Amino acid sequence: AQSVTQPDIHITVSEGASLELRCNYSYGATPYLFWYVQSPGQGLQLLLKYFSGDTLVQGIKGFEAEFKRSQSSFNLRKPSVHWSDAAEYFCAVKGFSGGYNKLIFGAGTRLAVHP
Amino acid sequence: NAGVTQTPKFRVLKTGQSMTLLCAQDMNHEYMYWYRQDPGMGLRLIHYSVGEGTTAKGEVPDGYNVSRLKKQNFLLGLESAAPSQTSVYFCASRSTGTPQETQYFGPGTRLLVL
Repeated sequence: AQSVTQPDIHITVSEGASLELRCNYSYGATPYLFWYVQSPGQGLQLLLKYFSGDTLVQGIKGFEAEFKRSQSSFNLRKPSVHWSDAAEYFCAVKGFSGGYNKLIFGAGTRLAVHP
Repeated sequence: NAGVTQTPKFRVLKTGQSMTLLCAQDMNHEYMYWYRQDPGMGLRLIHYSVGEGTTAKGEVPDGYNVSRLKKQNFLLGLESAAPSQTSVYFCASRSTGTPQETQYFGPGTRLLVL
């Protein structure tokens, strides 16, 4: 079955520190992978996506993610976190079941940033 | 462009009451979706629509009905609310020519069923 696991429910970092959010997926074929961010009171916004090619993808707001097939992972990183990055982050994979394409989301990781 | 808007923002219902959540988009998108978001479970698809007059079931459709009478609106109905339907509901839309992941999300409706 297609699934996405985000092992960390809640992460706290200091402003200026580096960040890595973990995402593991289960998918039989080459996955299409995504990271979304949800700021408080807002809907989800697409940060970046991986389809094929270069396994290191750049996104908006200074985020990047690396696809590692051997580890079934697609971890999100940022070299220096800003207070405005405090939000919830969702990893997702594009799946197909029940006769339609769909996005399968992980449970999310809530990021808190200390000044 | 307002994008995707949802009304109401917050609602409290008693068990057995009914209500309709409204989603509106001004981007002329064909596809529209309703998700629910629960702690520790991410977003799960309730129903979706590929165009005016069409609807289809997603992962968790039980207890909900939807209608897409106009292209810009996608209504989610709860005929008899249950505490298990306490959740945050998100609407999203995208155009036919864009891939699945470029969905535009509304700000959400927080629903509490007592």
